[in-house]
Amino acid sequence: KAGVTQTPRYLIKTRGQQVTLSCSPISGHRSVSWYQQTPGQGLQFLFEYFSETQRNKGNFPGRFSGRQFSNSRSEMNVSTLELGDSALYLCASSPGTGTYNEQFFGPGTRLTVL
Amino acid sequence: KNEVEQSPQNLTAQEGEFITINCSYSVGISALHWLQQHPGGGIVSLFMLSSGKKKHGRLIATINIQEKHSSLHITASHPRDSAVYICAVRKSSGDKLTFGTGTRLAVRP
Repeated sequence: KAGVTQTPRYLIKTRGQQVTLSCSPISGHRSVSWYQQTPGQGLQFLFEYFSETQRNKGNFPGRFSGRQFSNSRSEMNVSTLELGDSALYLCASSPGTGTYNEQFFGPGTRLTVL
Repeated sequence: KNEVEQSPQNLTAQEGEFITINCSYSVGISALHWLQQHPGGGIVSLFMLSSGKKKHGRLIATINIQEKHSSLHITASHPRDSAVYICAVRKSSGDKLTFGTGTRLAVRP
């Protein structure tokens, strides 16, 4: 099976712009989670989607949003970019939700905001 | 105080050494994950455990639920083990993962 794929892998934007990142989960996986990783804050949970519904949301401002499509592919959007949004954005897929569902991570999208 | 604490933050070892990375958490959990992140960013899930001990090759993970503590051991370390090791906990079924700050391991030949 192909792994989790994320596009694009690298992105440079300027303050005030918006960006959309894409995640294609492993075939058959219905849950997609998004994480932000920065040197200062480490890994932080953004949101989780399952069967097109947001199940969980982390402590991020409303500028961060996401969605999941019927084929389980997911997108996240950041509007009005700030310098502090520069980070590695990772998505992870799992077969379902719940404690014993192992997460499989994608390679990440490295976003730089200038 | 972070809910998940890891120690040490940085670790340098000689090839062949036995390595231990510790993770302590302050909340009740349903599962604990050990992750490995190589330079470049890709994360691999090493273990998911809720009790006892798991072994995969040269890696061993243990958890003590009563003491809220987990350890990741690497036997016969190798330079290819150089990576950041991250502990993460899930507080209850379906809840989000909360991460430790990671332990940066460098294994010298």
